[in-house]
Amino acid sequence: EAQVTQNPRYLITVTGKKLTVTCSQNMNHEYMSWYRQDPGLGLRQIYYSMNVEVTDKGDVPEGYKVSRKEKRNFPLILESPSPNQTSLYFCATKGVQGTEAFFGQGTRLTVV
Amino acid sequence: LAKTTQPISMDSYEGQEVNITCSHNNIATNDYITWYQQFPSQGPRFIIQGYKTKVTNEVASLFIPADRKSSTLSLPRVSLSDTAVYYCLVGDRGTNAGKSTFGDGTTLTVKP
Repeated sequence: EAQVTQNPRYLITVTGKKLTVTCSQNMNHEYMSWYRQDPGLGLRQIYYSMNVEVTDKGDVPEGYKVSRKEKRNFPLILESPSPNQTSLYFCATKGVQGTEAFFGQGTRLTVV
Repeated sequence: LAKTTQPISMDSYEGQEVNITCSHNNIATNDYITWYQQFPSQGPRFIIQGYKTKVTNEVASLFIPADRKSSTLSLPRVSLSDTAVYYCLVGDRGTNAGKSTFGDGTTLTVKP
């Protein structure tokens, strides 16, 4: 079964404490992306990756890092989280010339 | 990436056909038009994609006029479970396929 798995699903943390949200896919897709979704602002792309070791900034990359050391994994790193990064985060994948993107279940992050 | 414009919200009744139009005046030659559906706190789910004319699948139809500056998602005989946010995306399926910009989406409310 095609899956995009994010962990954790829910996380409450404190300002400044580094955290990583993992994303893993089993579809051998080249493209992977991270989005954040806030009320009234739709989905905004944070970073995307075209393949292993190839990443690029999306629309709202400030305060985030990513890495793509393996094709199946694309972790999102918040080195020093701040309350304005409280949001619902989605990971997505897509194959080359793929028709559709597949999204994970989401990670609800609260930074206090 | 081409900017898209959709109505913020629409209301309908069960059993009716719903048409949601998306405007994308700056669509490029290589761009495809893709529609996603999103329920609260879930990741978006692919509905349909097209390049020109008409595309139909088991859940929806997509109408694209010859100038491709707009597109219309048609949902036949909606039910209460079709209440969701619908996003129109315009983007390249090739080298720029990783970058995606979701607009604000259209919140469809289906009433009994």
